[in-house]
Amino acid sequence: DGGITQSPKYLFRKEGQNVTLSCEQNLNHDAMYWYRQDPGQGLRLIYYSQIVNDFQKGDIAEGYSVSREKKESFPLTVTSAQKNPTAFYLCASSMGTSGSTDTQYFGPGTRLTVL
Amino acid sequence: GQQVMQIPQYQHVQEGEDFTTYCNSSTTLSNIQWYKQRPGGHPVFLIQLVKSGEVKKQKRLTFQFGEAKKNSSLHITATQTTDVGTYFCAVSGTYKYIFGTGTRLKVLA
Repeated sequence: DGGITQSPKYLFRKEGQNVTLSCEQNLNHDAMYWYRQDPGQGLRLIYYSQIVNDFQKGDIAEGYSVSREKKESFPLTVTSAQKNPTAFYLCASSMGTSGSTDTQYFGPGTRLTVL
Repeated sequence: GQQVMQIPQYQHVQEGEDFTTYCNSSTTLSNIQWYKQRPGGHPVFLIQLVKSGEVKKQKRLTFQFGEAKKNSSLHITATQTTDVGTYFCAVSGTYKYIFGTGTRLKVLA
């Protein structure tokens, strides 16, 4: 099956702990993205990567970090510096070849709850 | 930065009624995409519009791009319970996308 996987689906953490969310794709896409979605809200871009070993901050990068060591993987770490981390996190990928006109394919998401 | 306004925020319709959501930008857009997110699910790409005045149809869904390429609409004819979800428009910046706030559609049987 081709697609994007995110794990786990639900994640609970204590306040002050760092947590890493997994995102893997086997679509051979160059570009990958992380979004945050709060209840009843739209998607806000956290980080994006157009190529391996390169990534850029999105609109709400503070308190988050990413890495892109492999083309198929783009893990997101939610650090203790993120003041309100409880949210639904969505990973997406796109071919990346045409820049602004690619279709984005989303993973199933991880729902993070910080207690 | 660029912002995209989407209205209405919520819409409840009786099954069989029509539904329309609008996406508006203050700047001219190169293209616009529409996504649907079912409750508890993830966004799924529906369509992309590129040309001024473009109209595309997918069964009961009609997508339109404004002549000035600053607005777009999604119209659903005769809604069904399967249409329930949140509809997002997305506009592209340089290698990234800006999503509208979404319109949450509830269809009452």
